[in-house]
Amino acid sequence: EAQVTQNPRYLITVTGKKLTVTCSQNMNHEYMSWYRQDPGLGLRQIYYSMNVEVTDKGDVPEGYKVSRKEKRNFPLILESPSPNQTSLYFCASSGQGVGEQYFGPGTRLTVT
Amino acid sequence: AQSVTQLDSQVPVFEEAPVELRCNYSSSVSVYLFWYVQYPNQGLQLLLKYLSGSTLVKGINGFEAEFNKSQTSFHLRKPSVHISDTAEYFCAVSGDYQKVTFGTGTKLQVIP
Repeated sequence: EAQVTQNPRYLITVTGKKLTVTCSQNMNHEYMSWYRQDPGLGLRQIYYSMNVEVTDKGDVPEGYKVSRKEKRNFPLILESPSPNQTSLYFCASSGQGVGEQYFGPGTRLTVT
Repeated sequence: AQSVTQLDSQVPVFEEAPVELRCNYSSSVSVYLFWYVQYPNQGLQLLLKYLSGSTLVKGINGFEAEFNKSQTSFHLRKPSVHISDTAEYFCAVSGDYQKVTFGTGTKLQVIP
């Protein structure tokens, strides 16, 4: 089954404790992206990647890091999480030139 | 720069009545436009997309949208809604298949 998976689905952590949210897709897609969803703000793009070793900032990259060492994986790293990063995070992937994105189920992160 | 405006945060409508969800965009380059739906506690899935060609785009579940370049709009319509259409709907624009900007979302509430 074609899908985007994220882990963990739920995470509660404390300020400053480094964490990684994993994202993996099995559709051989070149394009991958991370979003955060906050009430009243919709989805905002954090980082995106056009292919392996190619990443770029979205609209809200501060406080986040990403890497794309393999085509299928695109982890999101919060090196020093803060309470304002409490949010629902979505990973998505897209085939080249299509534009349609396939979304993962989301990761709900709470930083206390 | 690109942006998306969804003027209506919530739209209540009676079952079997028609509905229109409004979306206006701005972009300095050619645009690709999308509507996504998010059911409660789920990720997003594509309803329909405009990449080029016919300005009237038909999607899944009986939805359609019309691309209007002069009014920079991409409104979503359905002639008769069902209870199962209750969800949040997001309009999105991509100027170059890379950076994607979402609107703040419209919650459609279908009233029995």
